[in-house]
Amino acid sequence: DTAVSQTPKYLVTQMGNDKSIKCEQNLGHDTMYWYKQDSKKFLKIMFSYNNKELIINETVPNRFSPKSPDKAHLNLHINSLELGDSAVYFCASSLLAPGGSPLHFGNGTRLTVT
Amino acid sequence: SQQGEEDPQALSIQEGENATMNCSYKTSINNLQWYRQNSGRGLVHLILIRSNEREKHSGRLRVTLDTSKKSSSLLITASRAADTASYFCATDFNNQGGKLIFGQGTELSVKP
Repeated sequence: DTAVSQTPKYLVTQMGNDKSIKCEQNLGHDTMYWYKQDSKKFLKIMFSYNNKELIINETVPNRFSPKSPDKAHLNLHINSLELGDSAVYFCASSLLAPGGSPLHFGNGTRLTVT
Repeated sequence: SQQGEEDPQALSIQEGENATMNCSYKTSINNLQWYRQNSGRGLVHLILIRSNEREKHSGRLRVTLDTSKKSSSLLITASRAADTASYFCATDFNNQGGKLIFGQGTELSVKP
């Protein structure tokens, strides 16, 4: 059973489109995250939710909007996609609040904007 | 930048040899974690070491932490081809609200 699953695995779209990435965890964790990994493998945190409440909100364009309908789900919606948004987006979860416990990652969504 | 810096960026060894990767950082931490990423996959947690700990082991993995030098190392003993992956350190800095800041990783290649 996949602990942290995100869909889709690949997303190819044109500039200006709006797209969503979904993430679900079945670990019973309280905290979920979105990370962005660029082409040089640099991994940067974008958002974190703890029990559906936004607790980390990095300097990310307003075009990115996370939504957590319940503590097992954290979706990422991106408006007006730009070329620079091309990257691999990882969802992750942790048992405790940020910093207190290891992260469990999904397998990533490779977003390509053309 | 508070990002941990890893060294070397790439490491190529033969099966059976030991691999050592280093991570240095600049400000005080609560804990430091090591992760592995296989190509095309998500990161997998390996070891978490807290600021008051000096060494931790897990199977063939050994992590050390020297807070006076602000550095950590990951040693993989008796490496296998399956250890080929990217290895990242991630630091939980005291003043960052629990955010994990990842280094840029070391690409390890273990040749059979």
